[in-house]
This record gives sequence, C-alpha cells and structure tokens, in this order.
Amino acid sequence: GESVGLHLPTLSVQEGDNSIINCAYSNSASDYFIWYKQESGKGPQFIIDIRSNMDKRQGQRVTVLLNKTVKHLSLQIAATQPGDSAVYFCADSTGNQFYFGTGTSLTVIP
Amino acid sequence: ETGVTQTPRHLVMGMTNKKSLKCEQHLGHNAMYWYKQSAKKPLELMFVYSLEERVENNSVPSRFSPECPNSSHLFLHLHTLQPEDSALYLCASSHRHNDSPLHFGNGTRLTVT
Repeated sequence: GESVGLHLPTLSVQEGDNSIINCAYSNSASDYFIWYKQESGKGPQFIIDIRSNMDKRQGQRVTVLLNKTVKHLSLQIAATQPGDSAVYFCADSTGNQFYFGTGTSLTVIP
Repeated sequence: ETGVTQTPRHLVMGMTNKKSLKCEQHLGHNAMYWYKQSAKKPLELMFVYSLEERVENNSVPSRFSPECPNSSHLFLHLHTLQPEDSALYLCASSHRHNDSPLHFGNGTRLTVT
C-alpha cells in the first residue's frame, strides 16, 4: 500500500531561522503533492501544492521542492515566526486518492 | 473561515447513543469526504461522495453511516460506537476531477464513553 512518511516527528527552530520539513512517499505513480498545516484545535489548512511536472514551487515565505527520483518532498519556511508553530504534513495523490503522512510538529522558539 | 463548517465541534456520547455529525461547504466543490484523525496516525479516509455518488473505505464499520443529500451538505450518522472510535472527525471538500487540494473543516472531537 501507499506509504507517506515524514522524517522527523518534531522540529524546533529559532524564530527568524529557516525551517525545512521533509517527507518521503512510496508510490512512483503519484502526480500531485500537497502540504498542510494543522494548528491545535483546527483542521488541516492548505499551504502549497505541486504537480509532478514541476520540481519547485514558491509561495509566500514557503517553498516546496519535489525530487521524483528519490520520491522526496520538502517544505521550506523562510524566516520562521511563532505563528508557524503547528503540525505539518504532506499528502500525495494518484488519480483521486489522497495519502497522508503522520506529521512533523514544528515549534518556534522566540 | 475555511469554507467548510462542521458541527458540533465537540461531542461526548455513550456507546448506546445515536448522534449525527454535520458538514456544510460553501466552496462550490463537487466532492465531500469524511476522514478520521487519531493521534500519531495518518488521516484515514472513511467515505467519499462525488457528484452525490458514494465511494467508501470497506474497512469502515457499519456503525458509521454517511448521508449526502446534496453537493453542499454531508452527515455522518453514529450508532453504537466503541471507545476506540474516539477521534477527531474531519470533513473535507474538493473539485473531484481536477488536481485540487482537499479543504478541511475544523473537525468534530468525538469522545465515546
């Protein structure tokens, strides 16, 4: 079956530093990838997505990198702020099936 | 405001109770989903309604029963639940036939006593 995993369950970064959160997926047929942010007491919130015909996509303070060769996805957050503290998880999709990772808890140290 | 509204936010029920979770989406999407989120586990798909046709995960127990009266509303009827069913139940919606992300509500935190 599909396996989507995050490399580290927790990550602590100093405010102002850049954060990198990693994810590995196993299905080479996956063609669409999404990063979500989930704050305490809330549902997952869409951050950024990328299709398999791209290897990089940038948003506001966030960048997603896709390496299809090693089936690896990363989320980079620039100038991390206290409001970025949350659980981040990736999802990949084949057709209309979504597969989710278990999440990395990001803590921003003031 | 996520565009997907779930009620109630919290629910405590006994194992013999019957209750329903409600979800409404205001995003014009054509697919709605129920997911179960348990601690330290990936999101588990329970049911998908696409153009009001149901696709389900065959491992979901029959004590969970979905209902989708139209493309904007989704219910999850609960009956004779077990303590291990305690979890966060998330509703989501999307454009089913495009590469488009799921948009989630804030969930119902269910506790079965």
